[in-house]
Amino acid sequence: NAGVTQTPKFQVLKTGQSMTLQCAQDMNHNSMYWYRQDPGMGLRLIYYSASEGTTDKGEVPNGYNVSRLNKREFSLRLESAAPSQTSVYFCASSVTESNQPQHFGDGTRLSIL
Amino acid sequence: QKEVEQNSGPLSVPEGAIASLNCTYSDRVSQSFFWYRQYSGKSPELIMSIYSNGDKEDGRFTAQLNKASQYVSLLIRDSQPSDSATYLCAVNFSGFQKLVFGTGTRLLVSP
Repeated sequence: NAGVTQTPKFQVLKTGQSMTLQCAQDMNHNSMYWYRQDPGMGLRLIYYSASEGTTDKGEVPNGYNVSRLNKREFSLRLESAAPSQTSVYFCASSVTESNQPQHFGDGTRLSIL
Repeated sequence: QKEVEQNSGPLSVPEGAIASLNCTYSDRVSQSFFWYRQYSGKSPELIMSIYSNGDKEDGRFTAQLNKASQYVSLLIRDSQPSDSATYLCAVNFSGFQKLVFGTGTRLLVSP
């Protein structure tokens, strides 16, 4: 029972490089989320997808794009990485977007030099 | 602005004691409340959810909700060193279709 799977687990980029973080869930959840977690800042929502075919900005969307490829997959893209995007990124999913707990992936630790 | 506030800690308790973790939130009309445990370097793990006023018990964990006072708490009985982690409070605010997380309280349980 995999739950929420994120790849890669670790990544080092140079400033200006691009990359895509992948997330897939096998729980047939409708809603998916991308968070970043920085020391002292807690979890901050970057983007979310309430259902397949929809995406919306969260609290800190600048510098990121997302794609809800299908019901299972939700990817996060950094087009031109900046040192300020060094963080731990978590993908999460829930049955629906309201009144439901979220289940998290193991995270991607991203460093941008 | 929807807010969830927690004392960052660390909260230090001896093994076997009761650990009490508190969380306050800004909107009286909120519907669901969650506690997550996050070990250092790991992802958040859901440990409790509570939807109505009162207490909800699950093993050594008890969640308490008081909507009138806008707080939710987590009690951990017979605390163990393995309970040492950061505990995140999360609230689903009414009409705001996303969970809002507090910054977490770090709990240290000493043997």
